[in-house]
Amino acid sequence: GIQVEQSPPDLILQEGANSTLRCNFSDSVNNLQWFHQNPWGQLINLFYIPSGTKQNGRLSATTVATERYSLLYISSSQTTDSGVYFCAASGGYQKVTFGTGTKLQVIP
Amino acid sequence: NAGVTQTPKFRVLKTGQSMTLLCAQDMNHEYMYWYRQDPGMGLRLIHYSVGEGTTAKGEVPDGYNVSRLKKQNFLLGLESAAPSQTSVYFCASIRERDQETQYFGPGTRLLVL
Repeated sequence: GIQVEQSPPDLILQEGANSTLRCNFSDSVNNLQWFHQNPWGQLINLFYIPSGTKQNGRLSATTVATERYSLLYISSSQTTDSGVYFCAASGGYQKVTFGTGTKLQVIP
Repeated sequence: NAGVTQTPKFRVLKTGQSMTLLCAQDMNHEYMYWYRQDPGMGLRLIHYSVGEGTTAKGEVPDGYNVSRLKKQNFLLGLESAAPSQTSVYFCASIRERDQETQYFGPGTRLLVL
């Protein structure tokens, strides 16, 4: 199956700083998603982005499918951005593989 | 819409006991999934369903059974709970294959003593 690796595993930011999270995947995908798990455990959809670039407020994501990676950009970080960010990929609906996540802590 | 709901939110079991976790969605989604999340790890797929009456194994299916008798419900069963099944269980659904991101329920925390 597809292997998904995320980096960095941990990240501490000062409020207002920018950051880039990376997701590498081992094979062609037709489904690539980014999620945020808040400190209360809830998983929230951020982007469905098998290719191309999308933006939503201070967050944006880019997937370069031919090079098998995706990037999540967080600009002007806020304390509410804290939590774990997961990348999930699949070559089809049946074998969705999650990375182990990037734990982000934004400090005031 | 309530989205994806899970019942119960928290449960403590003794080794060998059985239980059923219920996932319900009111979005008329075809595809439903059960995952488990363990500390320091991402989510791992247990079982999934591509429609009413269908189920299939995911990455870590051993010790679990599932049923999808109604389109809106996806049940996860533990016949004989083991401490290794202590985890947080998430249910998710999507409308169409590869068309949308997954919508997750709030999770069920299960502790097996």
